[in-house]
Amino acid sequence: GQNIDQPTEMTATEGAIVQINCTYQTSGFNGLFWYQQHAGEAPTFLSYNVLDGLEEKGRFSSFLSRSKGYSYLLLKELQMKDSASYLCAVRDRAAGNKLTFGGGTRVLVKP
Amino acid sequence: DTEVTQTPKHLVMGMTNKKSLKCEQHMGHRAMYWYKQKAKKPPELMFVYSYEKLSINESVPSRFSPECPNSSLLNLHLHALQPEDSALYLCASSQDGGIHTGELFFGEGSRLTVL
Repeated sequence: GQNIDQPTEMTATEGAIVQINCTYQTSGFNGLFWYQQHAGEAPTFLSYNVLDGLEEKGRFSSFLSRSKGYSYLLLKELQMKDSASYLCAVRDRAAGNKLTFGGGTRVLVKP
Repeated sequence: DTEVTQTPKHLVMGMTNKKSLKCEQHMGHRAMYWYKQKAKKPPELMFVYSYEKLSINESVPSRFSPECPNSSLLNLHLHALQPEDSALYLCASSQDGGIHTGELFFGEGSRLTVL
């Protein structure tokens, strides 16, 4: 089975930086995804990591360490519209490549 | 705008009703998914179709019946549901036929309320 842990909630100030951590345990790691989901809306793809290191996409970056079973999503220059849930999802080869989502981290950006 | 279209956006049904949720994508994706999401919880996988064949059924009760008429369409037929089945039902697709290869594109969901 899989165990994916991420904090439940985080609060940050507009213009600041927030780092959302995700730890996981899998038998056959085959990629990690980050999704953003605004309340009442569909999840939208943010980033994908399968090799160790940092992937940067504008204000958002995602880091992966496979040996530590650890990833983080870094949100820079926070804007009010970044208030949303951020879902870490892991693909496990040993589970038929199914994608399993963590519980999500609700980020609240305050003025 | 999402390229995965779901209808209806909202559905209220009684426990004896029969209804269907519909999903459509025109991106040429070969894998399509149904997820169920309760409030403040992550999406939970229900079914996966790969090349129009049911690949995964996550032990979903038979009152949920999926159907994939063609590579662009995915339906979820609902019958004799329970109030605890009330949730947001998300359809998603991915490019390759291999399950969960590549990113998932989600529809906006169908919010179901069972009375």
